[in-house]
Amino acid sequence: KNQVEQSPQSLIILEGKNCTLQCNYTVSPFSNLRWYKQDTGRGPVSLTIMTFSENTKSNGRYTATLDADTKQSSLHITASQLSDSASYICVVRYGGSQGNLIFGKGTKLSVKP
Amino acid sequence: KAGVTQTPRYLIKTRGQQVTLSCSPISGHRSVSWYQQTPGQGLQFLFEYFSETQRNKGNFPGRFSGRQFSNSRSEMNVSTLELGDSALYLCASSFSAEHTEAFFGQGTRLTVV
Repeated sequence: KNQVEQSPQSLIILEGKNCTLQCNYTVSPFSNLRWYKQDTGRGPVSLTIMTFSENTKSNGRYTATLDADTKQSSLHITASQLSDSASYICVVRYGGSQGNLIFGKGTKLSVKP
Repeated sequence: KAGVTQTPRYLIKTRGQQVTLSCSPISGHRSVSWYQQTPGQGLQFLFEYFSETQRNKGNFPGRFSGRQFSNSRSEMNVSTLELGDSALYLCASSFSAEHTEAFFGQGTRLTVV
């Protein structure tokens, strides 16, 4: 069964600290994996998109990694800021250009001063 | 460059009614996809259009339908509304579909009473 699981479900960290969010997937054939940030009441914003051949991709203080062998991805946030408080959603596309999308339930991150 | 525009932002309907939501993609984008987001289920894929053709469909009943016009604008229709259809409906546009970044609108908050 095609699934995307994220952990932890929620996370509270202090401002300035680093954190890592996890995404495990079981889809086939894999096309790409995206990380989105969603602020409360707003639409998701893309952070990174990674294909099979990409291991690491950075976007400012956000760094995503992908291990296609173990079917795991992580999103590392460096030197967290209060504005990083949001839900982070992992989305996996499978089946090629006309394939389907599977969404993780997201990790809710709260950054405290 | 204008972003993805969804109208209306908020909507209240009664059970049994039907509703039409609109999405105007970023200029030049030909792919539009629709999602339903609820607290319990998270984000779920509804369908995806590219150049007026539905390329993909999620696991939703036939009461949910959509279409895309020649100018890439898209509409989503839900007939015979049920209480469980209350959700945030998000639209995203991208230049193509598979590997390019998707940009989300602010969503339409639908409440069925």
